[in-house]
Amino acid sequence: GAVVSQHPSWVICKSGTSVKIECRSLDFQATTMFWYRQFPKQSLMLMATSNEGSKATYEQGVEKDKFLINHASLTLSTLTVTSAHPEDSSFYICSARDGTGGAYEQYFGPGTRLTVT
Amino acid sequence: GQQLNQSPQSMFIQEGEDVSMNCTSSSIFNTWLWYKQDPGEGPVLLIALYKAGELTSNGRLTAQFGITRKDSFLNISASIPSDVGIYFCAGTFGGSQGNLIFGKGTKLSVKP
Repeated sequence: GAVVSQHPSWVICKSGTSVKIECRSLDFQATTMFWYRQFPKQSLMLMATSNEGSKATYEQGVEKDKFLINHASLTLSTLTVTSAHPEDSSFYICSARDGTGGAYEQYFGPGTRLTVT
Repeated sequence: GQQLNQSPQSMFIQEGEDVSMNCTSSSIFNTWLWYKQDPGEGPVLLIALYKAGELTSNGRLTAQFGITRKDSFLNISASIPSDVGIYFCAGTFGGSQGNLIFGKGTKLSVKP
C-alpha cells in the first residue's frame, strides 16, 4: 500500500520558536496533501489542503501566517508552526492523496507530537 | 455543512465476537473510506468504497456503501485483541473540492 512518512515523530520546543514538520509520500506522487490536527480523544480536524506548486487553502479559523505550508514537489509538503505557543501543542498528521484514476484514497502519515513549553 | 454521524462511540466486546459500526451522512457521498487509528499513530486505511451498494472485504473486515449513498457500515468478524483502536469513517463527494469528512470515531475495546 501507499506509504506516507512524517518527520519528526515528536518534537519539544520552547515558546516563541518555530518548528517545521515534513511529510513525504514514499511510493506515489501526491497530487494533493492535507494537514490535520488532532486533540486527545477527538477526530481529525482539517487545517489546510495543498496542491503541488500552489498556495495552500486553509480551513476557516486556521491562521495561515502561523501555520505555513509549502508543497514544493509531488512527494513533499512541509508545515511550519511559527512562533509556537503552548496552545499549539497537539498531534499533527499529514495525509496524501494519489488522485490518479479517479481514486480518492487518502493515506496518512504516522503523525508528529508537538509539545511547546 | 455536511455532517457525519458515527455510532456507536465506543464498544466493549469479548474476543471472538463480531462487531458492527456505521456512519450516516446528511449529504450523499461518492466515496466512503474506513480507517483504524492506534494510539499515537496516524490512521491506516482499511477499506475504500466507490459505488452505492458496493460490499468489500479485507480479511475479517467487511464494509458496505449504502444504497442511498448516505451511509456505510463496517463489520469485523471474530474480533481479536489487536483489533483494539479507534475506527473512523470518512466520506467525500470527490472532485477538486472533495475533502474528506470524518466521523467522530468508534473506540473498540476487546477483552481477551
